[in-house]
Amino acid sequence: NAGVTQTPKFQVLKTGQSMTLQCAQDMNHEYMSWYRQDPGMGLRLIHYSVGAGITDQGEVPNGYNVSRSTTEDFPLRLLSAAPSQTSVYFCASREPGGASYEQYFGPGTRLTVT
Amino acid sequence: QQQVKQSPQSLIVQKGGISIINCAYENTAFDYFPWYQQFPGKGPALLIAIRPDVSEKKEGRFTISFNKSAKQFSLHIMDSQPGDSATYFCAAIYAGNMLTFGGGTRLMVKP
Repeated sequence: NAGVTQTPKFQVLKTGQSMTLQCAQDMNHEYMSWYRQDPGMGLRLIHYSVGAGITDQGEVPNGYNVSRSTTEDFPLRLLSAAPSQTSVYFCASREPGGASYEQYFGPGTRLTVT
Repeated sequence: QQQVKQSPQSLIVQKGGISIINCAYENTAFDYFPWYQQFPGKGPALLIAIRPDVSEKKEGRFTISFNKSAKQFSLHIMDSQPGDSATYFCAAIYAGNMLTFGGGTRLMVKP
Protein backbone atom coordinates (compact mmCIF):
# COMPACT_ATOMS: atom_id res chain seq x y z
CA ASN A 1 0.00 0.00 0.00
CA ALA A 2 1.21 3.51 -0.81
CA GLY A 3 -0.87 4.87 2.10
CA VAL A 4 -1.88 8.52 1.80
CA THR A 5 -0.26 10.38 -1.07
CA GLN A 6 -0.32 14.11 -1.76
CA THR A 7 0.70 16.14 -4.79
CA PRO A 8 2.40 18.46 -5.31
CA LYS A 9 5.01 18.58 -2.53
CA PHE A 10 5.68 22.28 -3.08
CA GLN A 11 3.70 25.01 -4.82
CA VAL A 12 4.07 28.77 -5.23
CA LEU A 13 1.00 30.76 -6.25
CA LYS A 14 0.33 34.40 -6.89
CA THR A 15 -2.52 36.10 -5.05
CA GLY A 16 -5.81 35.42 -6.81
CA GLN A 17 -4.73 32.24 -8.56
CA SER A 18 -6.62 29.00 -8.03
CA MET A 19 -5.30 25.50 -7.68
CA THR A 20 -6.17 22.02 -6.47
CA LEU A 21 -4.18 20.03 -3.96
CA GLN A 22 -4.50 16.33 -4.62
CA CYS A 23 -4.91 13.62 -2.00
CA ALA A 24 -5.37 9.91 -2.56
CA GLN A 25 -5.38 6.84 -0.36
CA ASP A 26 -5.37 3.17 -1.30
CA MET A 27 -6.48 1.75 2.06
CA ASN A 28 -10.25 1.89 1.38
CA HIS A 29 -10.69 4.42 4.19
CA GLU A 30 -14.10 6.06 4.35
CA TYR A 31 -13.02 9.04 6.44
CA MET A 32 -10.67 11.61 4.92
CA SER A 33 -9.76 15.10 6.03
CA TRP A 34 -7.64 18.14 5.24
CA TYR A 35 -5.60 20.11 7.78
CA ARG A 36 -3.38 23.13 7.56
CA GLN A 37 -0.33 23.48 9.77
CA ASP A 38 0.96 26.88 10.81
CA PRO A 39 3.76 27.64 13.30
CA GLY A 40 2.49 27.66 16.88
CA MET A 41 -1.05 26.77 15.77
CA GLY A 42 -0.75 23.03 15.45
CA LEU A 43 -2.95 21.47 12.78
CA ARG A 44 -6.38 22.89 12.11
CA LEU A 45 -9.15 21.00 10.35
CA ILE A 46 -10.31 22.55 7.05
CA HIS A 47 -12.82 20.04 5.65
CA TYR A 48 -13.57 16.40 6.12
CA SER A 49 -15.54 13.62 4.47
CA VAL A 50 -17.13 10.51 5.97
CA GLY A 51 -17.59 8.85 2.60
CA ALA A 52 -18.05 9.39 -1.12
CA GLY A 53 -20.51 12.20 -1.78
CA ILE A 54 -20.45 13.47 1.83
CA THR A 55 -18.33 16.41 2.99
CA ASP A 56 -18.48 18.84 5.88
CA GLN A 57 -16.66 21.89 7.19
CA GLY A 58 -14.02 21.89 9.84
CA GLU A 59 -12.59 24.70 11.92
CA VAL A 60 -11.15 26.88 9.10
CA PRO A 61 -13.10 26.21 5.86
CA ASN A 62 -13.20 29.69 4.35
CA GLY A 63 -11.45 29.98 0.98
CA TYR A 64 -11.40 26.22 0.39
CA ASN A 65 -13.69 23.79 -1.40
CA VAL A 66 -13.72 20.01 -1.38
CA SER A 67 -15.57 17.22 -3.13
CA ARG A 68 -15.51 13.45 -2.73
CA SER A 69 -16.57 11.60 -5.85
CA THR A 70 -14.65 8.40 -5.03
CA THR A 71 -13.51 6.67 -1.85
CA GLU A 72 -9.86 7.06 -2.91
CA ASP A 73 -9.60 10.77 -3.74
CA PHE A 74 -10.27 13.92 -1.74
CA PRO A 75 -9.00 17.05 -3.54
CA LEU A 76 -8.80 20.46 -1.87
CA ARG A 77 -9.44 23.50 -4.04
CA LEU A 78 -8.22 27.01 -3.35
CA LEU A 79 -10.59 29.30 -5.19
CA SER A 80 -8.63 32.56 -5.08
CA ALA A 81 -5.35 32.19 -3.23
CA ALA A 82 -4.45 34.73 -0.53
CA PRO A 83 -1.15 35.19 1.38
CA SER A 84 -2.99 34.03 4.54
CA GLN A 85 -3.27 30.60 2.91
CA THR A 86 0.50 30.16 2.94
CA SER A 87 0.85 27.00 4.99
CA VAL A 88 1.63 23.31 4.96
CA TYR A 89 -1.39 21.22 4.05
CA PHE A 90 -1.90 17.66 5.25
CA CYS A 91 -4.43 15.14 4.09
CA ALA A 92 -5.38 12.29 6.43
CA SER A 93 -7.55 9.20 6.39
CA ARG A 94 -8.73 6.56 8.83
CA GLU A 95 -10.09 3.09 8.43
CA PRO A 96 -13.76 2.23 8.80
CA GLY A 97 -14.61 1.68 12.44
CA GLY A 98 -11.12 2.75 13.48
CA ALA A 99 -10.66 4.92 16.55
CA SER A 100 -11.19 8.52 15.56
CA TYR A 101 -7.67 9.54 16.54
CA GLU A 102 -5.95 6.80 14.48
CA GLN A 103 -5.55 8.92 11.39
CA TYR A 104 -2.89 8.34 8.76
CA PHE A 105 -1.36 11.52 7.42
CA GLY A 106 0.15 12.16 4.02
CA PRO A 107 3.58 13.82 3.59
CA GLY A 108 2.12 17.30 3.12
CA THR A 109 2.08 20.06 0.51
CA ARG A 110 3.98 23.25 1.27
CA LEU A 111 2.12 26.17 -0.31
CA THR A 112 3.41 29.71 -0.60
CA VAL A 113 1.15 32.51 -1.82
CA THR A 114 2.92 35.71 -2.86
CA GLN B 1 -8.81 30.52 20.59
CA GLN B 2 -7.05 27.18 20.88
CA GLN B 3 -9.03 24.61 22.79
CA VAL B 4 -5.88 22.63 23.60
CA LYS B 5 -2.90 24.59 24.93
CA GLN B 6 0.54 23.01 24.74
CA SER B 7 3.81 23.95 26.42
CA PRO B 8 6.66 24.47 26.02
CA GLN B 9 6.98 25.51 22.38
CA SER B 10 10.51 24.17 22.27
CA LEU B 11 12.56 21.90 24.49
CA ILE B 12 16.20 20.89 24.59
CA VAL B 13 17.14 17.77 26.55
CA GLN B 14 20.40 15.89 26.96
CA LYS B 15 20.59 12.31 25.78
CA GLY B 16 19.33 10.01 28.52
CA GLY B 17 17.24 12.72 30.15
CA ILE B 18 13.47 12.97 30.58
CA SER B 19 11.46 15.10 28.16
CA ILE B 20 8.17 16.46 29.51
CA ILE B 21 5.51 18.16 27.40
CA ASN B 22 2.32 19.50 28.94
CA CYS B 23 -1.16 20.14 27.58
CA ALA B 24 -4.31 21.65 29.04
CA TYR B 25 -7.85 21.64 27.72
CA GLU B 26 -11.17 23.28 28.53
CA ASN B 27 -13.82 21.22 26.76
CA THR B 28 -14.95 18.38 29.04
CA ALA B 29 -16.65 16.72 26.07
CA PHE B 30 -13.28 15.55 24.74
CA ASP B 31 -13.19 11.79 25.02
CA TYR B 32 -9.77 10.77 23.72
CA PHE B 33 -6.37 12.39 24.00
CA PRO B 34 -3.74 11.26 21.45
CA TRP B 35 -0.16 12.39 20.95
CA TYR B 36 1.42 12.68 17.53
CA GLN B 37 5.08 12.73 16.53
CA GLN B 38 6.22 14.58 13.42
CA PHE B 39 9.64 14.44 11.80
CA PRO B 40 10.76 17.21 9.39
CA GLY B 41 9.17 16.87 5.96
CA LYS B 42 6.73 14.20 7.13
CA GLY B 43 3.15 14.10 8.28
CA PRO B 44 2.28 13.52 11.93
CA ALA B 45 2.11 9.93 13.12
CA LEU B 46 0.16 8.60 16.09
CA LEU B 47 2.44 7.91 19.05
CA ILE B 48 0.19 7.03 21.98
CA ALA B 49 -3.33 7.86 23.17
CA ILE B 50 -5.29 7.83 26.42
CA ARG B 51 -8.92 7.92 27.52
CA PRO B 52 -9.99 10.32 30.31
CA ASP B 53 -10.91 7.45 32.67
CA VAL B 54 -7.27 6.29 32.76
CA SER B 55 -4.65 8.19 34.78
CA GLU B 56 -1.55 6.83 33.06
CA LYS B 57 -0.59 4.88 29.96
CA LYS B 58 2.88 3.63 29.12
CA GLU B 59 4.29 2.35 25.83
CA GLY B 60 8.00 1.69 25.93
CA ARG B 61 9.79 4.92 26.83
CA PHE B 62 6.66 7.03 26.27
CA THR B 63 4.15 7.67 29.08
CA ILE B 64 1.00 9.78 29.13
CA SER B 65 -0.14 11.10 32.50
CA PHE B 66 -3.73 12.36 32.71
CA ASN B 67 -5.29 14.57 35.38
CA LYS B 68 -9.01 14.79 34.70
CA SER B 69 -9.84 17.17 37.55
CA ALA B 70 -7.16 19.64 36.44
CA LYS B 71 -7.97 19.09 32.76
CA GLN B 72 -4.30 18.52 32.03
CA PHE B 73 -2.26 15.76 30.44
CA SER B 74 1.40 15.33 29.71
CA LEU B 75 3.84 13.24 27.69
CA HIS B 76 6.99 11.94 29.33
CA ILE B 77 9.81 10.54 27.21
CA MET B 78 12.18 8.55 29.37
CA ASP B 79 15.83 8.03 28.43
CA SER B 80 15.45 10.53 25.57
CA GLN B 81 17.49 9.75 22.46
CA PRO B 82 18.64 11.93 19.53
CA GLY B 83 16.25 9.94 17.34
CA ASP B 84 13.38 11.33 19.43
CA SER B 85 14.13 14.82 18.10
CA ALA B 86 10.88 15.82 16.41
CA THR B 87 7.82 18.00 16.88
CA TYR B 88 5.21 16.59 19.24
CA PHE B 89 1.54 17.48 19.18
CA CYS B 90 -1.04 16.73 21.80
CA ALA B 91 -4.60 16.53 20.59
CA ALA B 92 -8.12 15.94 21.81
CA ILE B 93 -11.15 14.55 20.06
CA TYR B 94 -14.90 14.62 20.52
CA ALA B 95 -18.00 13.98 18.44
CA GLY B 96 -16.16 11.05 16.90
CA ASN B 97 -14.46 12.99 14.13
CA MET B 98 -13.02 16.35 15.06
CA LEU B 99 -9.37 16.24 16.15
CA THR B 100 -8.22 19.43 17.91
CA PHE B 101 -4.45 19.88 18.11
CA GLY B 102 -2.20 21.76 20.49
CA GLY B 103 0.35 24.18 19.08
CA GLY B 104 3.23 21.69 19.05
CA THR B 105 6.55 21.29 20.88
CA ARG B 106 9.82 21.09 19.00
CA LEU B 107 12.05 18.67 20.91
CA MET B 108 15.80 18.50 20.41
CA VAL B 109 17.76 15.79 22.17
CA LYS B 110 21.47 16.59 22.32
CA PRO B 111 23.96 13.72 22.10
